[in-house]
Amino acid sequence: GQNIDQPTEMTATEGAIVQINCTYQTSGFNGLFWYQQHAGEAPTFLSYNVLDGLEEKGRFSSFLSRSKGYSYLLLKELQMKDSASYLCAVSTDSWGKLQFGAGTQVVVTP
Amino acid sequence: EPEVTQTPSHQVTQMGQEVILRCVPISNHLYFYWYRQILGQKVEFLVSFYNNEISEKSEIFDDQFSVERPDGSNFTLKIRSTKLEDSAMYFCASSPSGALPHNQPQHFGDGTRLSIL
Repeated sequence: GQNIDQPTEMTATEGAIVQINCTYQTSGFNGLFWYQQHAGEAPTFLSYNVLDGLEEKGRFSSFLSRSKGYSYLLLKELQMKDSASYLCAVSTDSWGKLQFGAGTQVVVTP
Repeated sequence: EPEVTQTPSHQVTQMGQEVILRCVPISNHLYFYWYRQILGQKVEFLVSFYNNEISEKSEIFDDQFSVERPDGSNFTLKIRSTKLEDSAMYFCASSPSGALPHNQPQHFGDGTRLSIL
């Protein structure tokens, strides 16, 4: 079976840092994506990891350990607009099929 | 910035009727996808499409569903004999050409909210 697990909800203060963990067990692995989804809107791409290590893109960083089946998304200098659901998704075949986790709802408080 | 566009934004249909959800992928993309998200649940893969053929489909994508690229721009999802449990947000996505699709970010449309009564 396919399992992609992430926490349901996290709360953090504006200006703080939040780390969203994702663990996965999938039949195939061609990379891991993080998407942001505001309520009622489309997922928007944040980051991609296929090799172990850290990818940094502005306020967002993502880390991957393939041997541990583990990734995290780090959000720095949180802003109110960062309140959204963050989706961990694994590309499980060569055609780009994405298997999504249930998403982590991040609530940023003043 | 180019976008994936989907129409309609909201579709209300009686159970048993057929619906067609429409998508215009980004113009130079070659890989196309449909996903659905039932309210409060995770995004689920339905089907991937390349070179006018289905490349992969999920268990959800049974004979009730079909996809088509009728011309050079549109990509449609048809659902026959709709059921109450087909109520969901349906997202179309596309990814760039010129590279393997599995390591390219997919660009999602804003979705069609399908409500079956």
